Amino acid sequence: QVTLRESGPALVKPTQALTLTCSFSGFSLTTPGMCVSWIRQPPGKALQWLARIDWNDDKTYNTSLKTRLTVSKDTSKNQVVLRLTNMDPADTGTYYCARTRLTTSRGALLEWGQGTLVTVSS
Amino acid sequence: ETAMTQSPATLSVSPGERATLSCRASQSVSSNVAWYQQRPGQAPRLLIYGASTRATGIPAKFSGSGSGTEFTLTISSMQSEDFAVYHCQQFGTWPYSFGQGTKLEMK
Repeated sequence: QVTLRESGPALVKPTQALTLTCSFSGFSLTTPGMCVSWIRQPPGKALQWLARIDWNDDKTYNTSLKTRLTVSKDTSKNQVVLRLTNMDPADTGTYYCARTRLTTSRGALLEWGQGTLVTVSS
Repeated sequence: ETAMTQSPATLSVSPGERATLSCRASQSVSSNVAWYQQRPGQAPRLLIYGASTRATGIPAKFSGSGSGTEFTLTISSMQSEDFAVYHCQQFGTWPYSFGQGTKLEMK
């Protein structure tokens, strides 16, 4: 059974950096075709895809946030880490991580974590 | 970037009726589209990928169609648990993108 769980601070001050961890089980990020993405959702608004890291360490970022985003993985711990710098109140929302298996569902997001709400406020 | 536009924003449907949701891409994404269901307070759940393939465990009442720039999700007979927000997503071009969602509400 595949599970993902996001963790990190619930409250961040403007200009600070946000670091979120996605801990997963039921798959390995060393398996060819396996990927983990980060997606966020401001309250009452649309989903926004942020970044993806692949089994071969390829990384892809949302172009509008690319200068502020970093994604990395620790395969020994089954974790993926997202860092978003220079936080602004507009970055408030629920942050999700999700799994993709390119060999079966291409870019679709097969399973999602329950999400973690991040509020940016002084 | 590829913009995904969903219509309508809100759809009122009676239980037992069919619901048809649309999603339009600003450029061709081939069949690289997925649909997700999101109930209040929950994470999205994958329903359809590759425009028309149901994900594991998704009942046949959900069907997807389309290619290129026009996509449709059909729910054949609405039940209480189907009233939710539905999102389309394209994964044909980088960066991946989502529509703004269609809310299905009970008439």
